[in-house]
Amino acid sequence: NAGVTQTPKFRILKIGQSMTLQCTQDMNHNYMYWYRQDPGMGLKLIYYSVGAGITDKGEVPNGYNVSRSTTEDFPLRLELAAPSQTSVYFCASSPGGEEVHTRRGYTFGSGTRLTVV
Amino acid sequence: AQTVTQSQPEMSVQEAETVTLSCTYDTSESDYYLFWYKQPPSRQMILVIRQEAYKQQNATENRFSVNFQKAAKSFSLKISDSQLGDAAMYFCAYITGAQKLVFGQGTRLTINP
Repeated sequence: NAGVTQTPKFRILKIGQSMTLQCTQDMNHNYMYWYRQDPGMGLKLIYYSVGAGITDKGEVPNGYNVSRSTTEDFPLRLELAAPSQTSVYFCASSPGGEEVHTRRGYTFGSGTRLTVV
Repeated sequence: AQTVTQSQPEMSVQEAETVTLSCTYDTSESDYYLFWYKQPPSRQMILVIRQEAYKQQNATENRFSVNFQKAAKSFSLKISDSQLGDAAMYFCAYITGAQKLVFGQGTRLTINP
């Protein structure tokens, strides 16, 4: 199993540019999440989805958009990139239910390091 | 709102010694789960240990154990016989009823040979 795959791993954007961070999982998990990690800080939730066609805001959604057209994919769109969006972005998935609390629960991707200059 | 606080930005320990990382949290829920994650320089998030709030017995995973004090809302991680490979950022996390993780700010652990 590949688990959660994020692309790209690194990206440099200029202020005002847009881009999409890709995330795909092959575990048939219903729940998917996007977190950001600023330097020296913990992860904060941007958006999450409980199933195809359903998304909701997390703690820090401003400047981002998401869609969930399939169970496998959960792309994160950055519109009009700003220096404040320089961060490492993690996608994660979970099966939901009680299994989320087990070691088979949350699965994280390896992250995308984004720099906005 | 649930919050998680790690008051130690950095900790260091001699190899083979024991170190304890602190974590406090705030929640109004009665049943919940707490986690410790390890993040090495590779950025990978690795689950170290988990604790179910309704279980009074502290969780243990090999050299890693927790001291869970529910009334005090405290959840510390003890690493025994520290090894060089334990050097990493450690994050305390709480999972909400909506299955969203809330993370602390992290503690950077250095192991001195």
